[in-house]
Amino acid sequence: EVQLVQSGAEVKKPGESLKISCKGSGYSFTSYWIGWVRQMPGKGLEWMGIIYPGDSDTRYSPSFQGQVTISADKSISTAYLQWSSLKASDTAMYYCARRSSGWWDWGQGTLVTVSS
Amino acid sequence: AIQMTQSPSSLSASVGDRVTITCRASQGIRNDLGWYQQKPGKAPKLLIYAASSLQSGVPSRFSGSGSGTDFTLTISSLQPEDFATYYCLQDYNSPYTFGQGTKLEIK
Repeated sequence: EVQLVQSGAEVKKPGESLKISCKGSGYSFTSYWIGWVRQMPGKGLEWMGIIYPGDSDTRYSPSFQGQVTISADKSISTAYLQWSSLKASDTAMYYCARRSSGWWDWGQGTLVTVSS
Repeated sequence: AIQMTQSPSSLSASVGDRVTITCRASQGIRNDLGWYQQKPGKAPKLLIYAASSLQSGVPSRFSGSGSGTDFTLTISSLQPEDFATYYCLQDYNSPYTFGQGTKLEIK
């Protein structure tokens, strides 16, 4: 069974750094694209970017380029989304998703709260 | 980036109604479009992939159609559990993009 298990909720202060994770299991981690999606409180879904763990090919949506870093460690089948300096506006639910055969399988989401 | 224009943004309907939600792409995306249902506090759930293929386990009252730039999600007879927010997603070309969402509410 394909599973994407995301790390737990985080509460951070503005200016702090953060790295959240998405661990894949039940499939060949290096062979499928993984994407990240943001959902701000009460708002719609926004595509942030994708990574191919096999060769670390990474592509960002323009709105998120330079704002976050997407990476993967294929040795532990885990993808990451990280911030070097969080802002209050980064408060959101973040989902990872795996590109399957024409669709996306989703993780359960990680809630990130940034507040002073 | 390809823009996905989804309409309506909200919709009030009754149990048993037939409803249609549309997504229009700013350029052709073949059939590389999925429809997702999201309920509050939950991850999106896949309903339709490749524009018209019903995901396993999804009730047959859900159907999708379209190709190129115009796509439709139809719910043939609304059930109480269908009241949720629906999104289209194009994954033809990176950056992938969602429609703005349609909130389906009980009339």
